[in-house]
Amino acid sequence: LAKTTQPISMDSYEGQEVNITCSHNNIATNDYITWYQQFPSQGPRFIIQGYKTKVTNEVASLFIPADRKSSTLSLPRVSLSDTAVYYCLVVSSNTGKLIFGQGTTLQVKP
Amino acid sequence: GAGVSQSPSNKVTEKGKDVELRCDPISGHTALYWYRQSLGQGLEFLIYFQGNSAPDKSGLPSDRFSAERTGGSVSTLTIQRTQQEDSAVYLCASSLSRDYNEQFFGPGTRLTVL
Repeated sequence: LAKTTQPISMDSYEGQEVNITCSHNNIATNDYITWYQQFPSQGPRFIIQGYKTKVTNEVASLFIPADRKSSTLSLPRVSLSDTAVYYCLVVSSNTGKLIFGQGTTLQVKP
Repeated sequence: GAGVSQSPSNKVTEKGKDVELRCDPISGHTALYWYRQSLGQGLEFLIYFQGNSAPDKSGLPSDRFSAERTGGSVSTLTIQRTQQEDSAVYLCASSLSRDYNEQFFGPGTRLTVL
């Protein structure tokens, strides 16, 4: 399974746009890119997934370049409640299992 | 409908005892996953069920760990002869199918082995 690399931590302020970039150089043809969010003492929660180009939903956008070796999660106008750990994962459509890395701890400040 | 539920929410046990952790997935979800999250190891995959069969047990750390799923629904993770290093939060997740990537996680069971 493709290994992912993302920053350990990021700081932001309320109202700003936050972009978290993840690299996955060994991504395979059948792999999807998915992002999860985890608050303390809770299980992870699905945010968004994509295969290539751009995907947008009500909470985030995911940008994937043509070579798919990286992806960027974009959170528009973050609030204090967006403080959480964000995990970038590459998921094989053959197995579905999630291999979590260290994640990025996002701290949103007032 | 209800989300994924797990019981107990907390379990404290003595070293050497056996424990059973239960997961009730979302109704209709055929895929079920177990993960554990500990301070030293992060969040790691344990086992995956498709229906009642477990095609991927590659994450189980030792033969003290086993899991079963019955009726394509409830799953039980059993840890025999618990050790202190088994202390962690055990998370269960379910999804509509293996290739449907949105997994819904339960709140977890916090296991403490004294």
